[in-house]
Amino acid sequence: DAMVIQNPRYQVTQFGKPVTLSCSQTLNHNVMYWYQQKSSQAPKLLFHYYDKDFNNEADTPDNFQSRRPNTSFCFLDIRSPGLGDAAMYLCATSRVGRELVNEQFFGPGTRLTVL
Amino acid sequence: GQNIDQPTEMTATEGAIVQINCTYQTSGFNGLFWYQQHAGEAPTFLSYNVLDGLEEKGRFSSFLSRSKGYSYLLLKELQMKDSASYLCAVYDSNYQLIWGAGTKLIIKP
Repeated sequence: DAMVIQNPRYQVTQFGKPVTLSCSQTLNHNVMYWYQQKSSQAPKLLFHYYDKDFNNEADTPDNFQSRRPNTSFCFLDIRSPGLGDAAMYLCATSRVGRELVNEQFFGPGTRLTVL
Repeated sequence: GQNIDQPTEMTATEGAIVQINCTYQTSGFNGLFWYQQHAGEAPTFLSYNVLDGLEEKGRFSSFLSRSKGYSYLLLKELQMKDSASYLCAVYDSNYQLIWGAGTKLIIKP
């Protein structure tokens, strides 16, 4: 089945220790998104790739970086995690063409704990 | 600023009907989504409205009034598995998806 996969599902890191979260998709969608979601809050868009074009949200901290080496894979790097970065990180994809609106398909998420 | 308002929490009884409201103030409008999110899991797509009126999909229906900046999600014949958060999200004029914080729906037997 076509899907969005995130690894790992649970990640524990120490304060200040870099961590990388990964996302892969078999949907062949051209847009990939990274969201941060804290308990009982709306998902917060960190950045997205439209094909290879990287789009950073204005309020995304510099501590968060992303890479998309090919259509299928996207990585979220947190260079120096702080306690406030503990959250669920959601990867999503969509196919956006001439019709710019399309549903987003989400991976299962990675729950990050910072000790 | 852009804002989406939903009730924080609602409680309903198994077998009953519940309506979850969403009001939005965004810079432009290019469609509204409803997503379901079970605790600790990713959101899954429920419905999309871009024109005024009611869209029905089995036990779930979604309504939109663009002039009022208002939508609702109607769930019929509630089942225990419908216990989840329901998120309203709007595409603004820049095709940015603006999310509400979600409504936690608790179903009681």
